[in-house]
Parts: sequence; C-alpha cells; structure tokens
Amino acid sequence: GEDVEQSLFLSVREGDSSVINCTYTDSSSTYLYWYKQEPGAGLQLLTYIFSNMDMKQDQRLTVLLNKKDKHLSLRIADTQTGDSAIYFCAEIRGANNLFFGTGTRLTVIP
Amino acid sequence: GEEVAQTPKHLVRGEGQKAKLYCAPIKGHSYVFWYQQVLKNEFKFLISFQNENVFDETGMPKERFSAKCLPNSPCSLEIQATKLEDSAVYFCASSHDREPNYGYTFGSGTRLTVV
Repeated sequence: GEDVEQSLFLSVREGDSSVINCTYTDSSSTYLYWYKQEPGAGLQLLTYIFSNMDMKQDQRLTVLLNKKDKHLSLRIADTQTGDSAIYFCAEIRGANNLFFGTGTRLTVIP
Repeated sequence: GEEVAQTPKHLVRGEGQKAKLYCAPIKGHSYVFWYQQVLKNEFKFLISFQNENVFDETGMPKERFSAKCLPNSPCSLEIQATKLEDSAVYFCASSHDREPNYGYTFGSGTRLTVV
C-alpha cells in the first residue's frame, strides 16, 4: 500500500528501552528518517540512516534497517520523561519530498 | 537566522474567508516545503519550491490553494474561501540541498481554525 505504517501508541517506564517500529513502502528510498514532535511544536530531526546501512547508533538512539522487509526501527535507550512525544518515520518519495508515517505517541511513565 | 519562522502561530477564519500563512526559510536554504498536518497527526505534502520556482506541486489542492516564494519576501500559502476541512496545522520546512541528507528544518507551524 501507500502508507508508511507505525503503531499508534507506546508506553514505557522511565529507564527502560523504547522500540518504535515503522514499515515503509519505497524500496528505492536512499535515506530514511526519524523525527520527533513535541506538543505544539514542529518536527525535530532525530537521526537518519542511509539505505546501504543496517544499523546506525547515535548516543541513546539506535536505528535498525531491514531493507528486505522494508522495516525500520528506532530504539531509545534509558528512556526519559523528556522523550515523551510523537515519533515519525519518513521516507523520500517523488521529487525528494518527505513522506511521513502515521506517528507513534510515546508515553514515558515516571 | 537559524530557524524557520512561521507567522502567525494561530489563525481563525470564518468559512469562506481567505487565509494567508507566511514562512521565512533559513537564510541560504534554497528549498521550501509546505505540509499540512490534520487530525490523527497525518502529514500531507502540499508543495515545494526551489528558490522562487515551484519544484513540486503534486500535493496542492487544485482549487483555492496557492503558494509563492518571491525574492526578498517570506514565502506564503494562501487559501481562498476556506472550508471547515482546511482546519489543520500548516508546517513549512526549508533545506539547503535537494538531497535531504540532513533532513529538513521545520518551523513551529501555523494552526488554522476555520469556524
């Protein structure tokens, strides 16, 4: 289908790891992205991964890419209350336009 | 500046009125994108510009919506004769390069409410 799919909600306890999953559609996407949106704010780029990579680590964030299954995941280690937000994966389509997933609302329980 | 500035933050219009939203991209960024975020967080691509030229307008509704990026002026998105379903948050983003290796920088959005 045309949708970039994500689970709508995820709740974790503070200090645990969070894993947010995404299934994308365009196998020719060169870059895949994770954005964070806090309430009332715009989108903040968290990290990106090039399509020839399987994994990318950036401090508490780990991105895993399975090109065969078109599956992308974002792991947040030692999740903090400040990580509560909506997380969007995104792929490039058409004339280099970002196409966003449905968003996952992460709630961190103190 | 180093942020994408969108004005106004909030806009309320009666059905049938015109709405005009503004976006000042980061200086030196040649690409500007407009997105519409509706209920359930869905982001819909509307239009992109390379400098003052339309780059991709495949997401723009054929009627009522128009956009411009003129030299030395903020970019604008205009909705003629607003409808209730136009209520959304409209985000602008800018990018230095066509290849968004580092992603786009987004503004904080303009919340349009049509009553």
